[in-house]
Amino acid sequence: GAGVSQSPSNKVTEKGKDVELRCDPISGHTALYWYRQSLGQGLEFLIYFQGNSAPDKSGLPSDRFSAERTGGSVSTLTIQRTQQEDSAVYLCASSRSNDEQFFGPGTRLTVL
Amino acid sequence: AQRVTQPEKLLSVFKGAPVELKCNYSYSGSPELFWYVQYSRQRLQLLLRHISRESIKGFTADLNKGETSFHLKKPFAQEEDSAMYYCALSGHGTDKLIFGTGTRLQVFP
Repeated sequence: GAGVSQSPSNKVTEKGKDVELRCDPISGHTALYWYRQSLGQGLEFLIYFQGNSAPDKSGLPSDRFSAERTGGSVSTLTIQRTQQEDSAVYLCASSRSNDEQFFGPGTRLTVL
Repeated sequence: AQRVTQPEKLLSVFKGAPVELKCNYSYSGSPELFWYVQYSRQRLQLLLRHISRESIKGFTADLNKGETSFHLKKPFAQEEDSAMYYCALSGHGTDKLIFGTGTRLQVFP
């Protein structure tokens, strides 16, 4: 079956612009996660959605970052007023509750 | 604080040699521990989790609560094991993963 998909695969933007990154989870997975993979920083948790519960936003690095999950499926991660330090690969994952997380291919964001 | 430490950025071995990728963690409670692997140009994927107590692709990892370690081992490395390996934990009642910084394993022929 189809895995987690993310779009765009690559995004180049200018400092100060807003960007939206999209994640399509595996159908039927109730949990959705966003992580960020930076050089030298490894993988950092950003935000976690589980069903209809309030999302766990404890990993968001600043108030410029926000995410939504519409209809319990697709999620959008928005970064406002991008900075160069936001350059990273943004990974999305989905899972059934308390089960293995399946990762998408990631979106490589470059902020010039 | 929750933390996962992988002290080696790069580990290079020859084919057939034993491999041990180190992972130590800090967590106040009983976390679940995982190893994830990312092969070149592929997605991050689960290799094994400590509650399964399985051997996957010849790899094993034992949770040592006394030493707060979860080292990944394989007795005889293969070239196809070359990849980036991440140790991770999740806490009780939450699924979010806390990752280490990763270790790149290079297996030379």
